[in-house]
Amino acid sequence: AQKITQTQPGMFVQEKEAVTLDCTYDTSDQSYGLFWYKQPSSGEMIFLIYQGSYDEQNATEGRYSLNFQKARKSANLVISASQLGDSAMYFCAMRGPGYSTLTFGKGTMLLVSP
Amino acid sequence: DAGVIQSPRHEVTEMGQEVTLRCKLISGHNSLFWYRQTMMRGLELLIYFNNNVPIDDSGMPEDRFSAKMPNASFSTLKIQPSEPRDSAVYFCASSSGQQRRNQPQHFGDGTRLSIL
Repeated sequence: AQKITQTQPGMFVQEKEAVTLDCTYDTSDQSYGLFWYKQPSSGEMIFLIYQGSYDEQNATEGRYSLNFQKARKSANLVISASQLGDSAMYFCAMRGPGYSTLTFGKGTMLLVSP
Repeated sequence: DAGVIQSPRHEVTEMGQEVTLRCKLISGHNSLFWYRQTMMRGLELLIYFNNNVPIDDSGMPEDRFSAKMPNASFSTLKIQPSEPRDSAVYFCASSSGQQRRNQPQHFGDGTRLSIL
């Protein structure tokens, strides 16, 4: 069985600072994928970034990057230069081999202050 | 390009009524997922279709819930009869390429369901 753990219920950061949102996962599979989604207060789920278990480089998408540490089974999301619009709930999710379904964590609420 | 389209955005109805939620997939996508999100339980997968065929319905709460894909681009989730504990936000998501693990699921805006 797969499991995603997000230990930070809430995080606070000031505008323009970087912030790291933690995600650890548990799986016995060798091949898997990790995803991060953003859910603003308006409710929609927005795909941010993907990391494959065999990818040698950490994924980056604009201000988002993944600090992927395979041995530690962690895939932390780093947001550089936070903006007020980054205030949202962030979910880490995992997909295993042979499955199309995602297992989601409980989420971390990020609040960015001016 | 149009994303996943869900309707209605909001639904308020009385206990015992039938509720039908609708979802239009992104053109070309062949996998469809229904999720339910509540404060207590987070985001739960209800059912997953691939190429119109239900693959995993283990998350469907009980017989009151049913889901169909009458064609490759459209799905419905029906609750009959509805109960107050069904109140939640229901999301539909679609993706392409079951074997391409890096394909994300694209979510609709959700239906906020309130059962009085």
